[in-house]
Amino acid sequence: AQKVTQAQTEISVVEKEDVTLDCVYETRDTTYYLFWYKQPPSGELVFLIRRNSFDEQNEISGRYSWNFQKSTSSFNFTITASQVVDSAVYFCALSDYTGNQFYFGTGTSLTVIP
Amino acid sequence: KAGVTQTPRYLIKTRGQQVTLSCSPISGHRSVSWYQQTPGQGLQFLFEYFSETQRNKGNFPGRFSGRQFSNSRSEMNVSTLELGDSALYLCASSLVPTYQETQYFGPGTRLLVL
Repeated sequence: AQKVTQAQTEISVVEKEDVTLDCVYETRDTTYYLFWYKQPPSGELVFLIRRNSFDEQNEISGRYSWNFQKSTSSFNFTITASQVVDSAVYFCALSDYTGNQFYFGTGTSLTVIP
Repeated sequence: KAGVTQTPRYLIKTRGQQVTLSCSPISGHRSVSWYQQTPGQGLQFLFEYFSETQRNKGNFPGRFSGRQFSNSRSEMNVSTLELGDSALYLCASSLVPTYQETQYFGPGTRLLVL
């Protein structure tokens, strides 16, 4: 069965600190896709990244970076020098190789304190 | 370019009634996905439509249905509403099926069933 676990329910950091959000997934597929989304207080989901299972290269986009490790079935998300605008709920998700099934983690609520 | 729009934004219904929610994707996008978000179950995938065909469906009862029109606009319908259907319903559009492409989300429709 496929499953996404985000063990951190809530995290609080002081502005400018770095923070890592953990995501652990389970799947028997060899081809799959992993996603991260951000949901600010306004409620509208924002797509952040999609990664396929064959691409284990880390990705950096500005202050955001993602570490994908198949050996530990993890796809962690790091925000460097956090800002108040980063306060949101972050969701990790897993899709099978056809995109026919989609599974979300329970989300991590990040609060950045000024 | 206009974003994804969802109507109505808020809706109050009573048990047993039916409801239809609408989603207009970004111009040129042919894929529309629907998600349900509740405090208890979190984010769950409902279904995805691509070029007027349902590609896949999440684990929801038959009371939840949808369709997509030739202009890519999509509607989802919930019949015989139950209290547990109270949720934020999000729709997302993408150029091609979700797992292959960046998704853009609408603001959501918040449904309250009394």
